[in-house]
Amino acid sequence: NAGVTQTPKFQVLKTGQSMTLQCAQDMNHEYMSWYRQDPGMGLRLIHYSVGAGITDQGEVPNGYNVSRSTTEDFPLRLLSAAPSQTSVYFCASSPSWGVGSPLHFGNGTRLTVT
Amino acid sequence: DQQVKQNSPSLSVQEGRISILNCDYTNSMFDYFLWYKKYPAEGPTFLISISSIKDKNEDGRFTVFLNKSAKHLSLHIVPSQPGDSAVYFCAASTQGAQKLVFGQGTRLTINP
Repeated sequence: NAGVTQTPKFQVLKTGQSMTLQCAQDMNHEYMSWYRQDPGMGLRLIHYSVGAGITDQGEVPNGYNVSRSTTEDFPLRLLSAAPSQTSVYFCASSPSWGVGSPLHFGNGTRLTVT
Repeated sequence: DQQVKQNSPSLSVQEGRISILNCDYTNSMFDYFLWYKKYPAEGPTFLISISSIKDKNEDGRFTVFLNKSAKHLSLHIVPSQPGDSAVYFCAASTQGAQKLVFGQGTRLTINP
């Protein structure tokens, strides 16, 4: 059982480049989300989705786009990378939203923007 | 504004003793609280949770206490083991918001 799979594990971008961070889950979870982890800031929510075709903004959405065309996949797009987007990005999923449905996290993508 | 705060960036405890990790929150609408554990180069993993209708929840060596009047929760690990060395995040949510808000994390080191 793969759980939540994130690719790539590491990525270096130049300022202004665009890229997509991939996230896939094989648990048929309805809820998926993206977080970024920065030193001293904990994990901050970027975007989330409660099901295919439905997405919404989290705490720090600027500079990122998401879409959810299937239950399994929830890619995160950086439109024009900036050094402030250097971070570790985590994708997470759960069967639904609410009590008794804790998030399952992937192992992260470490992104450096120069 | 940080709605969930873990004011201790690090904590060092001797093996076999009790580890107590603390977390404060400011939003009185939070009704569900969780603790996650994170090892280096891995994603966070769920540890234990508590609903606001309770003040204590136990799972083996792990106990979470919630003090709603003080807007404070704590995680007790007894006895502490070397494998408990990790970063611990507390998190909170409200049912309607569909968002989980995390604290900054506390790095726990268990010394042999």
